[in-house]
Amino acid sequence: GAVVSQHPSRVICKSGTSVKIECRSLDFQATTMFWYRQFPKQSLMLMATSNEGSKATYEQGVEKDKFLINHASLTLSTLTVTSAHPEDSSFYICSARDPKLAGADTQYFGPGTRLTVL
Amino acid sequence: GQNIDQPTEMTATEGAIVQINCTYQTSGFNGLFWYQQHAGEAPTFLSYNVLDGLEEKGRFSSFLSRSKGYSYLLLKELQMKDSASYLCALKAAGNKLTFGGGTRVLVKP
Repeated sequence: GAVVSQHPSRVICKSGTSVKIECRSLDFQATTMFWYRQFPKQSLMLMATSNEGSKATYEQGVEKDKFLINHASLTLSTLTVTSAHPEDSSFYICSARDPKLAGADTQYFGPGTRLTVL
Repeated sequence: GQNIDQPTEMTATEGAIVQINCTYQTSGFNGLFWYQQHAGEAPTFLSYNVLDGLEEKGRFSSFLSRSKGYSYLLLKELQMKDSASYLCALKAAGNKLTFGGGTRVLVKP
């Protein structure tokens, strides 16, 4: 299957700072990547769809100015949490599809980034 | 919109079989996924159903009935490592996924 990586795996920051999370497709090109957030003991909630070379599409209730998404290449999407606050502490997970694989509808997930805002 | 229901938690014995049900309502069906997620880790793909019927992959099988808005994931010969959350997810237009709340399966010796 396709491999997706995320960096960092864990980050602790002070309230008011910004944090950047990288999502990379390692062995394929992904025109579309997805960003999810998961609070403890809850399921994954889609935040936004990241499109290479164009603006991201945000889900209802997700502030685009707070969660900046950049998909500058076919293998890299970044999520920047701006002016982070303790309520932004969560598990952030990205996913991507490899359009060339059989079963191309399958999304493959990165290992996730645990963000803790103090 | 989409609505997905699955049980919150199930307990089973090592070596046994467990069936996790998922019922859904959706305005447009484009496929249903099952993912496994261990605590603190990202989900891993288990199965994908877009047509009615049973898909078998080793110890795991998934069934879909589109007319009933129903799917199940069947885990056979349970192992301790199968203790995890199992997520049912619907695929929407634009390849977006909507996840159910997940079913936590606890396998006991």
